[in-house]
Amino acid sequence: GQQVMQIPQYQHVQEGEDFTTYCNSSTTLSNIQWYKQRPGGHPVFLIQLVKSGEVKKQKRLTFQFGEAKKNSSLHITATQTTDVGTYFCAGGYAGNNRKLIWGLGTSLAVNP
Amino acid sequence: NAGVTQTPKFRVLKTGQSMTLLCAQDMNHEYMYWYRQDPGMGLRLIHYSVGEGTTAKGEVPDGYNVSRLKKQNFLLGLESAAPSQTSVYFCASSYGGTSGKTQYFGPGTRLLVL
Repeated sequence: GQQVMQIPQYQHVQEGEDFTTYCNSSTTLSNIQWYKQRPGGHPVFLIQLVKSGEVKKQKRLTFQFGEAKKNSSLHITATQTTDVGTYFCAGGYAGNNRKLIWGLGTSLAVNP
Repeated sequence: NAGVTQTPKFRVLKTGQSMTLLCAQDMNHEYMYWYRQDPGMGLRLIHYSVGEGTTAKGEVPDGYNVSRLKKQNFLLGLESAAPSQTSVYFCASSYGGTSGKTQYFGPGTRLLVL
């Protein structure tokens, strides 16, 4: 079946260091979405990628979609304590557009 | 707009008791979802609905029932609660399917079953 694998599960960084989380799908995605969940909060949408090779930036966050549309990454430059939380990727698949397939998330801790 | 709201925010149940979690959205979204979140397990889809009067099973539907009698409301029922159902429950809604459709989440319901 369709699966989205996300690594790493946890990441501890010093404030100012960079951070990257990766998602891989066993089959081609139609799109991939990224969400952030702050501790004690709920998932909040960050961005959606649709095109092969697409790269989008939001301030210090860079999102990439692989050429084969099977993988994606989120990179944070110079982490801040406000980046703490769990980052989820969620994939959409053509022919199954009623739900997203979620990665397990990467929990980011930032030491000040 | 309130977005997606969930009632109650927190609940303690004894094994065997029943309860209903209410999700309401004021964005006129067609699709609604119920997830549970447990440590290390990510978000697991329980049931979902693609429109008023329709429901479908997700990946972990056992022990839960749902109803979507009104477009804006999606109810999740536990007929006989078990300790394994201790979790955080999130409701989400979206305009349509996955293509270009963001899911908006409610604040969650924390359920403890003793």
